[in-house]
Amino acid sequence: AQSVTQPDIHITVSEGASLELRCNYSYGATPYLFWYVQSPGQGLQLLLKYFSGDTLVQGIKGFEAEFKRSQSSFNLRKPSVHWSDAAEYFCAVGDPPGLGGYQKVTFGIGTKLQVIP
Amino acid sequence: DTGVSQDPRHKITKRGQNVTFRCDPISEHNRLYWYRQTLGQGPEFLTYFQNEAQLEKSRLLSDRFSAERPKGSFSTLEIQRTEQGDSAMYLCASSLPLMNTEAFFGQGTRLTVV
Repeated sequence: AQSVTQPDIHITVSEGASLELRCNYSYGATPYLFWYVQSPGQGLQLLLKYFSGDTLVQGIKGFEAEFKRSQSSFNLRKPSVHWSDAAEYFCAVGDPPGLGGYQKVTFGIGTKLQVIP
Repeated sequence: DTGVSQDPRHKITKRGQNVTFRCDPISEHNRLYWYRQTLGQGPEFLTYFQNEAQLEKSRLLSDRFSAERPKGSFSTLEIQRTEQGDSAMYLCASSLPLMNTEAFFGQGTRLTVV
């Protein structure tokens, strides 16, 4: 069964500092990989996704993520954090291409990001 | 295109009552998903539809839960005889049935069982 580990429950960074959120997954092949962001009381917004190809993926709001097959990781990064980035971030894995498209997705527990002035 | 719409946004109910939530997917998205998110956890898959067919159900979807999508457009999720453990955010998402695509989520329905 697929699983996702986000080892950091809470992270606090200063505004303007760089950010890296960790994500490790367990899956038999290369899955679909996603990062979503959720503001309090809101739904999920997709930041970026990896299906295949270039292992460095650019997303919205200045985020990027790098897929590392050897480490089963898909860490999210941002060079300079803004106060509006404070939210909860979820890494997720889905069935890989070839199985009919997006189906059920397994989410990690989430990392709550706090940004201090 | 107004995105995935869920109604109501909040629901407070007494234990033992039945509740029903509605989800309107993005038009042309024939896949529809339900997830449940409890406090401090990530969303957990409940079920998904392709058109009106319910293709997969999680073990989390007990007998008290039923989801329908009768005409392949909107969907409803009903919980019968609610329990306090059902308190959660219920998220709906939709997608196209394409290989390299993603799901778009609604803002969720927050259920509180008292």
